[in-house]
Amino acid sequence: ETGVTQSPTHLIKTRGQQVTLRCSSQSGHNTVSWYQQALGQGPQFIFQYYREEENGRGNFPPRFSGLQFPNYSSELNVNALELDDSALYLCASSEQAGAGWETQYFGPGTRLLVL
Amino acid sequence: AQSVTQLGSHVSVSEGALVLLRCNYSSSVPPYLFWYVQYPNQGLQLLLKYTSAATLVKGINGFEAEFKKSETSFHLTKPSAHMSDAAEYFCAVRIRTGNQFYFGTGTSLTVIP
Repeated sequence: ETGVTQSPTHLIKTRGQQVTLRCSSQSGHNTVSWYQQALGQGPQFIFQYYREEENGRGNFPPRFSGLQFPNYSSELNVNALELDDSALYLCASSEQAGAGWETQYFGPGTRLLVL
Repeated sequence: AQSVTQLGSHVSVSEGALVLLRCNYSSSVPPYLFWYVQYPNQGLQLLLKYTSAATLVKGINGFEAEFKKSETSFHLTKPSAHMSDAAEYFCAVRIRTGNQFYFGTGTSLTVIP
């Protein structure tokens, strides 16, 4: 069974640029959630995708956007990067949305540094 | 609004001693509750979860947590700490009608040999 994978592992961008982060869900999972984890903080929910549709969003501006593909892999796009966007970005997949108690399986994250 | 408070950003225990990591939540109805562990440069791994069955929940690696509604708490314990338990621990809540997890700010556990 393949776990959740994310790419790239590390990324350096400059302010104003755009970035795309990628996530491959665990086999059989149709739901993916994205989190931002700033240094020394807990993960903050960005949004969730279920069967290619956005299924909930946290308190993040529209320049944070996402996609989920038919194979349930996912992308997180961030436009107009700001210094405060520097963080570890985590992707988590689960079997289905809405049950509430389903386990989310996390990838190792992508560490983004904005200069 | 949902929130999670983890008391103590850093906890140190001796090897073999009791581990107690505190978590309190704020929610109008009992939510689903989770504890995750994060090792350096890795993602989060689920330790255990409360889904309104038994209030005492047993997880992996000898950890357990007890849901106490009257105290709105879900503290994580382990009777005897191992060196390999040194990591960052996160408590998280999820309301039953939503799909958003709310994480605490984490507790860094150090195990002293």
